[in-house]
Order: sequence, then structure tokens, then C-alpha cells
Amino acid sequence: DAKTTQPNSMESNEEEPVHLPCNHSTISGTDYIHWYRQLPSQGPEYVIHGLTSNVNNRMASLAIAEDRKSSTLILHRATLRDAAVYYCILRDGLRGGTALIFGKGTTLSVSS
Amino acid sequence: DADVTQTPRNRITKTGKRIMLECSQTKGHDRMYWYRQDPGLGLQLIYYSFDVKDINKGEISDGYSVSRQAQAKFSLSLESAIPNQTALYFCATSDPRLSGETQYFGPGTRLLVL
Repeated sequence: DAKTTQPNSMESNEEEPVHLPCNHSTISGTDYIHWYRQLPSQGPEYVIHGLTSNVNNRMASLAIAEDRKSSTLILHRATLRDAAVYYCILRDGLRGGTALIFGKGTTLSVSS
Repeated sequence: DADVTQTPRNRITKTGKRIMLECSQTKGHDRMYWYRQDPGLGLQLIYYSFDVKDINKGEISDGYSVSRQAQAKFSLSLESAIPNQTALYFCATSDPRLSGETQYFGPGTRLLVL
């Protein structure tokens, strides 16, 4: 599976937008970009995923570069509850059914 | 009620003991997974099951075994626990018919092997 690169940590203030970057220069044409997050003492939870076009849902937005070699998870208004480890993961859309390959992710801190 | 539940939530055991961690789901998903997480690291796959009759090893299966008793239940056993199996264990489920095949995780079992 193609690898992803994320910053180890980021900081934000409450109610400000947060842009979490992810580089995936070796992404293949069938790889979907997934984001999960893990709140303290909880299991990971799905945030959003996309293939080529930008995606929006109630939790976040996903902006995908035109060449697909990078993407950005956007939290429009950070809250204290958004403090978590965010994982950017590539999954092959053809194979599917495989485990998620978790790196170390980005630890997001949110201050009031 | 939670869709994916794990029991126990915390467990302390001694080296050499056999223990079982259980996972149940009400999502109706065929696919289930067991992961472990060591402090400060991401999750690693132990075993996964695509249906009741299909069980596969993950990247770190040594020292572990699993049983898929029914579509809704997937148990993980440590045959003879050792201290370096101290970790957080997560169960997950997925449905390949859903877009992106999102995985849904349980709350985790914190295991300490003395």
C-alpha cells in the first residue's frame, strides 16, 4: 500500500479552522484517501474519504490536490472535542476488504 | 447502544495465562478485524475475517488465535500471555457494499500482562 506522510502534531484555537495536511506522492489511481480520528481513550472513528473530487460531510471537508499527491482535511471550526490523533490512510478501491494501515497520524491540540 | 462492543474493557493477567477478548456487533457486517495498539503508535492488524468460514492472519498474528462463532461475534485469544502483549486491543467491522468500506471500531480492551 502507498504510504502517507503527516506532521506529527498541530495546534489550533477553538472556533478557528484547521487544515491538516497529508502527502501521498505514490498514490495509485485506484487508491481512496481516508481520514480517521482517534479521540483519547477511544477507538478510531471514520471522518471522511474521497477519490478525486473534494468532499464535504457534517464533520469535515476533504480537499484533494489535482495531481492527488496530497490532500487536506479541513475542520471548519475546531472545538475542544476535536482534539485527537488524525490518520490519513490510503485504501485500494479495487482490492478492498483489507486492514487499514495506520501510521502515527497528526496529534491535534485545541486550545480555548 | 453501541454497534460494536468489546468485553472486558480492562484486563490484568499474568504471564502464561490464557485469556480471551470478545467482540460483538449489531451492524450486520460480515467483515471483522482485530487490531492492537501500542502506546504512541498506530494500530496493527492481528487477524481478520471476511465471513464465518474465512479467517486470515494479519501482520502480527504470532501468539494469538481467533474464533468467529457467528456473524456477530469474533473472539481473540492469547494462548499464553506474555508482557509484550500488553496493549490496547480494538475490534472493527466493515461492509464491502458500502462506499469506502468504512471500518467501525469498538471502544477497545486495555490489557496488562504482568
